[in-house]
Amino acid sequence: AQTVTQSQPEMSVQEAETVTLSCTYDTSESDYYLFWYKQPPSRQMILVIRQEAYKQQNATENRFSVNFQKAAKSFSLKISDSQLGDAAMYFCAYRSGLSGTYKYIFGTGTRLKVLA
Amino acid sequence: EAEVAQSPRYKITEKSQAVAFWCDPISGHATLYWYRQILGQGPELLVQFQDESVVDDSQLPKDRFSAERLKGVDSTLKIQPAELGDSAMYLCASSLAGDTYEQYFGPGTRLTVT
Repeated sequence: AQTVTQSQPEMSVQEAETVTLSCTYDTSESDYYLFWYKQPPSRQMILVIRQEAYKQQNATENRFSVNFQKAAKSFSLKISDSQLGDAAMYFCAYRSGLSGTYKYIFGTGTRLKVLA
Repeated sequence: EAEVAQSPRYKITEKSQAVAFWCDPISGHATLYWYRQILGQGPELLVQFQDESVVDDSQLPKDRFSAERLKGVDSTLKIQPAELGDSAMYLCASSLAGDTYEQYFGPGTRLTVT
């Protein structure tokens, strides 16, 4: 069975600085997707960034980028130029690439605090 | 912008009572998910629908939980009887069918069982 581990329950970053959130996963599959979701306080969860396992190039979305290390089964999220609005819970998630299998497995989350 | 709707947003119920949650996915989204999120943890999939059919309900406690999506559009999740351990946020999400489509989450229903 697949598992997702986020070992940092809480992280803090100074506004305008860079922070990296860690995620490791375990799977025997070769085809899968990895995601980072953001859940702001009292607001709904939104997708931050997605990585297809077959792509070697790391995904980027504006200030958000990932470091995908497939052999190490590591998928970290880097937030550059942190803003107060980045404060939230961040969840790493895994989804199998098998056709018809759309089940997501989430980590336990990392609470990010942004200090002014 | 289209959103996933959920109601109620908050629900307080006594143990042994029945409770139901409703979800209306984004129009055209064939895949619908119900998750349970215990405070301080990540969402855990309870049930997944593809149109009106259940694709995965392996984590659904079937002795007390039931879910339906009769016409393949909106969905209801029911708990009967509720237990103290059911206190959690219940999230609904939807996506277009297919491998590459992201899922969109609703605001959730926070359930407190007393």
